[in-house]
Amino acid sequence: EPEVTQTPSHQVTQMGQEVILRCVPISNHLYFYWYRQILGQKVEFLVSFYNNEISEKSEIFDDQFSVERPDGSNFTLKIRSTKLEDSAMYFCASSDRSPRDTQYFGPGTRLTVL
Amino acid sequence: AQTVTQSQPEMSVQEAETVTLSCTYDTSESDYYLFWYKQPPSRQMILVIRQEAYKQQNATENRFSVNFQKAAKSFSLKISDSQLGDAAMYFCAYMGGSQGNLIFGKGTKLSVKP
Repeated sequence: EPEVTQTPSHQVTQMGQEVILRCVPISNHLYFYWYRQILGQKVEFLVSFYNNEISEKSEIFDDQFSVERPDGSNFTLKIRSTKLEDSAMYFCASSDRSPRDTQYFGPGTRLTVL
Repeated sequence: AQTVTQSQPEMSVQEAETVTLSCTYDTSESDYYLFWYKQPPSRQMILVIRQEAYKQQNATENRFSVNFQKAAKSFSLKISDSQLGDAAMYFCAYMGGSQGNLIFGKGTKLSVKP
């Protein structure tokens, strides 16, 4: 069964450093998403991406964040200058041909900022 | 803005028994979708069940079923014949008809006692 994959599973970085979180959505899916879950809190939407551009973003997704689909399979989230409060679990998700289709999540990347 | 409320931070059920998890939401939209996701200790988000608001029939998926009360804006999840593997955080989520981002509740931690 196709699944969303994410790498790395755990990333530790120093405050102020840049990090790139990688995701491989389900093949042939057209809509891609990033969500964040701070430990013990609910999952929060960051950004959605379709047709090589951002279709929606939350207020959390400020200028420190960017997304990219560098090739036909990867979908990345970059944080330019990490802060302590960026420590969280980051989930990638994808959906088929419509934003109304069910979103399937990857296993997540745990980001720890020291 | 849409909100999702899960009023039960924790629930416990005996193995083989039935448990119901509550979820209410607030929206002014008439077209939307509701989901239950399961997050086991591995922290991956796994889709449990999906309900389209325009459908009056409650969705079912094997041992999992929902009680969707549109007028009351209630969307509870019933787990029948509970198994040890059902132990997890359960998140209720809302998706508006015009947007693709999921809005999550705070989650309910379900424990299953042998």
